[in-house]
Amino acid sequence: KAGVTQTPRYLIKTRGQQVTLSCSPISGHRSVSWYQQTPGQGLQFLFEYFSETQRNKGNFPGRFSGRQFSNSRSEMNVSTLELGDSALYLCASSLQERNYGYTFGSGTRLTVV
Amino acid sequence: AQSVTQPDIHITVSEGASLELRCNYSYGATPYLFWYVQSPGQGLQLLLKYFSGDTLVQGIKGFEAEFKRSQSSFNLRKPSVHWSDAAEYFCAVGAPNTGNQFYFGTGTSLTVIP
Repeated sequence: KAGVTQTPRYLIKTRGQQVTLSCSPISGHRSVSWYQQTPGQGLQFLFEYFSETQRNKGNFPGRFSGRQFSNSRSEMNVSTLELGDSALYLCASSLQERNYGYTFGSGTRLTVV
Repeated sequence: AQSVTQPDIHITVSEGASLELRCNYSYGATPYLFWYVQSPGQGLQLLLKYFSGDTLVQGIKGFEAEFKRSQSSFNLRKPSVHWSDAAEYFCAVGAPNTGNQFYFGTGTSLTVIP
């Protein structure tokens, strides 16, 4: 069974641009969450979607947004990129809607120059 | 609010030696507790989880963890470390009624000496 697939794996963008990251969860998983991982801040929760609805949102500015489609695939978008947005963005999917443990993808490494 | 503390930033052990990674959490009730491992350039892999019941939980790769409510701890152990265990280890806590939002510790980097 395929795992969580994140595309692209690596991305280089310029300050001020916007970027869209994609996540395909494990087949049958309906919950998708996004995390930002940086050396300074560690793993920080961005948002969670379940059945196309955003259920939780972390403490990030409005430049960070996401959505989930009817097939449970999810995208996150970051507008007006800043140097500090450089990070590994991890997507995780879960079968159930409540804290039964994620399966993580390998992440998208975003570098903002 | 929930929080997780992993006091040890970096640990070095010899191959074959035992291992204990510390994790302390802050939460008003019994949380859901997890340990994840991350190899360089990779995502996180779930090692084990605790929801309720037996306080000693077994995970993959020979790892186990013990939930101690009185100490608000969920330490990860392995009796004999292998070189392939070198990685970053993260403890995480989730609240039972807040969906799938987790709070992660800052991680412990494990180095294994041959």
